[in-house]
Parts: sequence; C-alpha cells; structure tokens
Amino acid sequence: DVKVTQSSRYLVKRTGEKVFLECVQDMDHENMFWYRQDPGLGLRLIYFSYDVKMKEKGDIPEGYSVSREKKERFSLILESASTNQTSMYLCASSSGGARRDGYTFGSGTRLTVV
Amino acid sequence: DQQVKQNSPSLSVQEGRISILNCDYTNSMFDYFLWYKKYPAEGPTFLISISSIKDKNEDGRFTVFLNKSAKHLSLHIVPSQPGDSAVYFCADSNYQLIWGAGTKLIIKP
Repeated sequence: DVKVTQSSRYLVKRTGEKVFLECVQDMDHENMFWYRQDPGLGLRLIYFSYDVKMKEKGDIPEGYSVSREKKERFSLILESASTNQTSMYLCASSSGGARRDGYTFGSGTRLTVV
Repeated sequence: DQQVKQNSPSLSVQEGRISILNCDYTNSMFDYFLWYKKYPAEGPTFLISISSIKDKNEDGRFTVFLNKSAKHLSLHIVPSQPGDSAVYFCADSNYQLIWGAGTKLIIKP
C-alpha cells in the first residue's frame, strides 16, 4: 500500500558530487513537493510542481534543481553537494483539493555529505 | 509574511494524562490548519485538521481547538499513549502549507 516512494532511505555522498533523489507517487496527484527537515527548523520547502514539466521555487531553492518529466515522478538534484546539504529530504504529493487532508509524504531520504 | 510558531521544542507527559501541543499563527486568511505526526526516519503523516470556520474538531483521542481572536490553536491528546511519542507539526494551509518547527512529544510510562 505504498503511495509515495523515495528511492533511497540513506545516502552518503562526497562534497562536489551530483546527487539525484527520486520520488514516485501512485495516486495520480497533480502536485509534488520537495522539503528538507532539520532539527529546530521544521520543514522547509525547496521546490514544488503543480504539473508535468512545471516547477516553482520554494523557500530555499539555492543549490538544488528539480525535474518532472512524468506526472508520477519528481526528482531533486543537488548539482554539487555540500556539507550544509546534509539533511533529511522529504517528498510529498497532493491532489488539487488537499487543503483539508494535507499532503502524503514519502519515508524520507537521510542524506549525509562528507 | 506568514508565520506559524510552535514555541515548545519538546514536551514530556505521563502515560494516561492529557498532552497539549500549541501553535500560534499570523495569517488570518487560512482555510485549514493541519496537524502532522512524525516518527524518526519516517515521513510525516496527516493527523487531523480544522477549518477556519470552526473552533473545534475531534477524532478519537485527538481534538484540535482554534481560537481565532488569539490566533492560537492547540492539539489535545487524551489519554496519551507511548505510541504518541513523536514530533508534531502544525501547518497553515492556504496557497501552500506553512509549517511550524515542530514539538517533540515524549510519553513517559
């Protein structure tokens, strides 16, 4: 009964590497989101997408890019990983009327950049 | 600038007692406020929401209260159980979700 799947639970990457985080949802949701979660800072929005090939910057897009070639898949790309990008990354999706029911999240990817 | 504040980073409650988690907001135009629960190494899961036109919503052991004049809402968990130990986030749902920083709830046996 998995609905939002993130490809990796744990990743360790080196500084300067290009990192791809993949997210797939099977609920036919229009909206998809990438967040990072850090202690004491809550969830901060990196990028979101309301449609295929569409993307919008969130609150902290610097150092990241995204790709949405298909409705069910939303990828987060760290162009050149840095240690301050060590974090828990969370993907979420929602339908158009998700304000009452919120978002469905994946299990998260714990990324460590060394 | 929309803000959602959870001023208590952590809260410790005895099993069986009431847990009260608080959230303050600045935006007066929201549609819903949502509460999420998050266990370590897992994604947040939706818990309960409240519409801006209501002052209370109840779902089993969970009740959310909204005080619009004070721009304050609270989540009550009665009775608290060990499985309730988690981080709780409140979020303002308007155009996007605006999140609080979270409160870590610890239920003591």
